[in-house]
Amino acid sequence: AQSVAQPEDQVNVAEGNPLTVKCTYSVSGNPYLFWYVQYPNRGLQFLLKYITGDNLVKGSYGFEAEFNKSQTSFHLKKPSALVSDSALYFCAVRDKGDDKIIFGKGTRLHILP
Amino acid sequence: DGGITQSPKYLFRKEGQNVTLSCEQNLNHDAMYWYRQDPGQGLRLIYYSQIVNDFQKGDIAEGYSVSREKKESFPLTVTSAQKNPTAFYLCATSRTASYEQYFGPGTRLTVT
Repeated sequence: AQSVAQPEDQVNVAEGNPLTVKCTYSVSGNPYLFWYVQYPNRGLQFLLKYITGDNLVKGSYGFEAEFNKSQTSFHLKKPSALVSDSALYFCAVRDKGDDKIIFGKGTRLHILP
Repeated sequence: DGGITQSPKYLFRKEGQNVTLSCEQNLNHDAMYWYRQDPGQGLRLIYYSQIVNDFQKGDIAEGYSVSREKKESFPLTVTSAQKNPTAFYLCATSRTASYEQYFGPGTRLTVT
């Protein structure tokens, strides 16, 4: 069965510093991996995805994520954090051939001014 | 959120009443999904549909029902059998099951 883990409930980063939000996954086949962001009382917004190809994926708002097959990880990164990046971030995985996406429990990112 | 509407944004009901949450999309996406979000638990899949007149149970379907009579619409009914209905409900769509999902703004349901 597929699963996804976000080991940190909360991450605090000073504005201007690089940020990393961690995600690890478990699937039986080749994974489709996704990152979403959620602002308070709103739906989730799609940030980026990995399907195949280059391990470094670039997405919206300056975010990127690196697919690491040997470590089964898909960490979200940004070189320089903004206060407006403060939100709840979800990692998600779909096993190729499966209909459903499994979401992690989310990591709350606080960017400190 | 563009292209997917959920109404109402806030909904209040008395215990024992059924309530229907609306989800409409104009993205021409084939697949539609309903999730429930509770604090600290992420998103849990209730029902999903990949084609009109067909749908499948997700991980927490008990106490819920859906219909997919039109491609654009996927209403969710929260029945009185759902033990803890108070939650934030999110509708999502995708071009097919292979693609990323796009989410509506959500409906916050409070049952007292």
